Amino acid sequence: EAGVAQSPRYKIIEKRQSVAFWCNPISGHATLYWYQQILGQGPKLLIQFQNNGVVDDSQLPKDRFSAERLKGVDSTLKIQPAKLEDSAVYLCASSGRTGANVLTFGAGSRLTVL
Amino acid sequence: DAKTTQPPSMDCAEGRAANLPCNHSTISGNEYVYWYRQIHSQGPQYIIHGLKNNETNEMASLIITEDRKSSTLILPHATLRDTAVYYCIVRGPNDYKLSFGAGTTVTVRA
Repeated sequence: EAGVAQSPRYKIIEKRQSVAFWCNPISGHATLYWYQQILGQGPKLLIQFQNNGVVDDSQLPKDRFSAERLKGVDSTLKIQPAKLEDSAVYLCASSGRTGANVLTFGAGSRLTVL
Repeated sequence: DAKTTQPPSMDCAEGRAANLPCNHSTISGNEYVYWYRQIHSQGPQYIIHGLKNNETNEMASLIITEDRKSSTLILPHATLRDTAVYYCIVRGPNDYKLSFGAGTTVTVRA
């Protein structure tokens, strides 16, 4: 099966600019996650969708971050305005309704804010 | 707020078994132990998970102590491609998210 697709792979922006990341999960996977991974740390959950509804966005900095999952398939994560501390890898993952409930991750989008 | 403790790093020789420890002394009776790894510049990859019994798949074996307070991931014949950060994660049956700690950086040396 095809994996989780993310784009762009790399992005460099100036602080206060905006950026958007796109994720296409594995076909049929109802649950989609966005994680932020700062260099040297483990991934941190930003937001979790079940179909097109938000399950958990408690760690999402809502003053600057937003995410949507239209039609319960693709998702976009937006940052506006970006800060220096937003430099990180943004990972998208999806999972289906299986007993193991395993998450499959994409390769990530690396953001550098100058 | 990771529920696990792992050593920050370890080395192992190519072709030898790599034994990665994980402490999860506050684990609840219905929580699973999951292992993921993250190779440089890639997203985390699922390895194995278990509840009480030892588990084995094509990638690794998972040994969980009888009191379930600790576990060991075993890579039977480590290769250079196994160099990665390995994450041990405790997760409830109805908890759909993963909470990552810092993991163990494993370096396999030729």
